Amino acid sequence: EAQVTQNPRYLITVTGKKLTVTCSQNMNHEYMSWYRQDPGLGLRQIYYSMNVEVTDKGDVPEGYKVSRKEKRNFPLILESPSPNQTSLYFCASGVFRLETQYFGPGTRLLVL
Amino acid sequence: TQLLEQSPQFLSIQEGENLTVYCNSSSVFSSLQWYRQEPGEGPVLLVTVVTGGEVKKLKRLTFQFGDARKDSSLHITAAQPGDTGLYLCAGALSASGSRLTFGEGTQLTVNP
Repeated sequence: EAQVTQNPRYLITVTGKKLTVTCSQNMNHEYMSWYRQDPGLGLRQIYYSMNVEVTDKGDVPEGYKVSRKEKRNFPLILESPSPNQTSLYFCASGVFRLETQYFGPGTRLLVL
Repeated sequence: TQLLEQSPQFLSIQEGENLTVYCNSSSVFSSLQWYRQEPGEGPVLLVTVVTGGEVKKLKRLTFQFGDARKDSSLHITAAQPGDTGLYLCAGALSASGSRLTFGEGTQLTVNP
């Protein structure tokens, strides 16, 4: 089954404790991206990757890091989480020109 | 300020009615997508429109991309309770489709 998986689905942490949210896709897509969704602000793009070892900033990259060492995986790293990073995070993958894009089920993060 | 303005934000109608959701911007997009999102899940891509003036139909849903590629609309004919959800438009700022900006969404409720 074609899918994008994210782990964990729910996470409660404290300010400053480094965390990683994993994202994996089984569709051999070149393109992968991370978004956060907040009430009143909608979905905003954090980082995206056009291929292995190629990443670029989206609209809200501050406080986040990503890496793309393998085609199927695109982890999101929060080196020092802060309460304003409490949000619902989505990973997505797709093909060139995004004629197809699949979203993962989301990771709900609470930073205390 | 949102680059993409969606209207209305909320829409509650009776089964069988028709409705139109609008997505407007002052920016030109290389392509525009419409998604539907249900609670607790990631957005699901409904359609991608690429050419100015393009019209695409998906059963009872009709999508139109404005001639100038700055706006789009989604029309649903004879709405059903199963159409209930959050409808999101997203514009691609680059030809590759990699940089996406989303509207805040339209929450549609179709009452039986």
